[in-house]
Amino acid sequence: DVKVTQSSRYLVKRTGEKVFLECVQDMDHENMFWYRQDPGLGLRLIYFSYDVKMKEKGDIPEGYSVSREKKERFSLILESASTNQTSMYLCASSLNRGQGSYGYTFGSGTRLTVV
Amino acid sequence: QKEVEQDPGPLSVPEGAIVSLNCTYSNSAFQYFMWYRQYSRKGPELLMYTYSSGNKEDGRFTAQVDKSSKYISLFIRDSQPSDSATYLCAMSVGMYSGGGADGLTFGKGTHLIIQP
Repeated sequence: DVKVTQSSRYLVKRTGEKVFLECVQDMDHENMFWYRQDPGLGLRLIYFSYDVKMKEKGDIPEGYSVSREKKERFSLILESASTNQTSMYLCASSLNRGQGSYGYTFGSGTRLTVV
Repeated sequence: QKEVEQDPGPLSVPEGAIVSLNCTYSNSAFQYFMWYRQYSRKGPELLMYTYSSGNKEDGRFTAQVDKSSKYISLFIRDSQPSDSATYLCAMSVGMYSGGGADGLTFGKGTHLIIQP
């Protein structure tokens, strides 16, 4: 019954590496989001997308980019990983309209450690 | 002033107790209110959803909204160790939660521990 799937649960990358985090949803949702979650800081929005090939910056986009080539897939890219990007990354999706389109559906998260 | 305030806890209570979790907010335009539950090392899952003021009950859980006070609560009756998790409140202006101004605003979460 998995609806938002994040490709990796745990990742360890080296400083300077280019990192790809993948997210796929099977609910035909228009909107997709990338958050990072850190102790004491809560959820912080990195980027979101409301349609294929569309993207909007969130609150903390620096050091990140995104790609949405297909409706079901939203990728987060760390251009050159740094230790301050060690965090839990959460993907989410939501509908624009329709019955039962309440809130966001989240994936299980990717715990990224940059060494 | 932050838009949504939530005590981070931890809140530790004995099994069987009634738990009260709360959020305050500043934006009077918020109309849709949600509670998410997040287990350790997992993503948040939607627990309760309410519109405007009033109460909503689902099993052992009751969500309460007081728009005049800009205050929302989640009550858990007969609390169980399996209820131990972080609870995040979230709210939005519109029903359909897109991004930007239409998006959800989250509290930072309260860490709840139910002692067996």
